[in-house]
Amino acid sequence: QKEVEQNSGPLSVPEGAIASLNCTYSDRGSQSFFWYRQYSGKSPELIMFIYSNGDKEDGRFTAQLNKASQYVSLLIRDSQPSDSATYLCAVKPTGSARQLTFGSGTQLTVLP
Amino acid sequence: DTGVSQDPRHKITKRGQNVTFRCDPISEHNRLYWYRQTLGQGPEFLTYFQNEAQLEKSRLLSDRFSAERPKGSFSTLEIQRTEQGDSAMYLCASSFLSQSGNTIYFGEGSWLTVV
Repeated sequence: QKEVEQNSGPLSVPEGAIASLNCTYSDRGSQSFFWYRQYSGKSPELIMFIYSNGDKEDGRFTAQLNKASQYVSLLIRDSQPSDSATYLCAVKPTGSARQLTFGSGTQLTVLP
Repeated sequence: DTGVSQDPRHKITKRGQNVTFRCDPISEHNRLYWYRQTLGQGPEFLTYFQNEAQLEKSRLLSDRFSAERPKGSFSTLEIQRTEQGDSAMYLCASSFLSQSGNTIYFGEGSWLTVV
């Protein structure tokens, strides 16, 4: 079992719809969770992080965390073609206060 | 405020040659990380520095790889006797531990192609 799992996609949504990206993790003690966006050929760019159970909203983005289910998600409202990218889920594992473990990413395409 | 800077951005080398990448972190950041990313995969952790001390190394970091951060500022990642399997994007990242957490910011990456 991978430490951080994401559906690789591709996930396609029409412009203006809500895109839902999901991530599960295996280390129950993980405390910090991050979503990065990566355009093709570019480096990952931090979108948001979440530490506590529940929802955290930032503009069109909402991160949701459920530690009991070991599940974190990212919702993108009013999706735009410019949101088309690979979205990486990252988790700070227990015992390593420093490094992040990344999933393989979900490729999102927003169709105009 | 400049972000994390990496050099060179692209490197093509012949198998068996040595290559070195440089990373300049965000100036106030005391933590520096190296990751490697191949096509279709997420970044994989290689090593981490706090100031000049190398505190954590992945098993991915074979003895052909060496990283330094001599004065706690910029860092170098050297790959000796390159192999085709070393072809990847090498990402440097930095962070500053604060009460609000430890958010990692990536540079633009250094693409390595071993032919």
